[in-house]
Amino acid sequence: AQSVAQPEDQVNVAEGNPLTVKCTYSVSGNPYLFWYVQYPNRGLQFLLKYITGDNLVKGSYGFEAEFNKSQTSFHLKKPSALVSDSALYFCAVRDSGAGSYQLTFGKGTKLSVIP
Amino acid sequence: EPEVTQTPSHQVTQMGQEVILRCVPISNHLYFYWYRQILGQKVEFLVSFYNNEISEKSEIFDDQFSVERPDGSNFTLKIRSTKLEDSAMYFCASSSPLEGFAYNSPLHFGNGTRLTVT
Repeated sequence: AQSVAQPEDQVNVAEGNPLTVKCTYSVSGNPYLFWYVQYPNRGLQFLLKYITGDNLVKGSYGFEAEFNKSQTSFHLKKPSALVSDSALYFCAVRDSGAGSYQLTFGKGTKLSVIP
Repeated sequence: EPEVTQTPSHQVTQMGQEVILRCVPISNHLYFYWYRQILGQKVEFLVSFYNNEISEKSEIFDDQFSVERPDGSNFTLKIRSTKLEDSAMYFCASSSPLEGFAYNSPLHFGNGTRLTVT
């Protein structure tokens, strides 16, 4: 079975500071990993994905994420946070070995960027 | 930029009534999904749909649920007899073979339909 954990319900960071939103996963095969962002009353927007290759992936709005196989983690990062980054962030995984279309989401982390 | 559109944005219904949630996926997408998000909880997979048939469904997607792509553009989710616990935000999503295989292409989500069952 595939699963995702986001250990922090909320992350607060000052504007201009670097931010990290944590994610760990569990799969039986190789992971396909995704980050999505959700603004109030909106759907989930795709930020970035890791399929294979370089462990550091870059995505939309200056976000990046680092895949760490030994720690089974895929933390989302941004060097300098903006107030407009405040939103709900979801990590998600598909197990390449499961032959499943199902994307399993974490419970989400609320990011608040303080001016 | 093309978007997935969902209607209505909010649907209120009485327990036991049938509801149909409507979605128009992005036009060149081939894989279609429904997910739901109960308030304050995680986003849950309901069903995936490809080539005019269900490719996968979760335990949540029981006999009360059905999906249809009646005309090549709309993609609907029907709940036959709603229960209080069906109250949630329902998201339609689609993905494109141009962005990867079905298993690794990103999903594009609509803004959701908030279903309230009273």
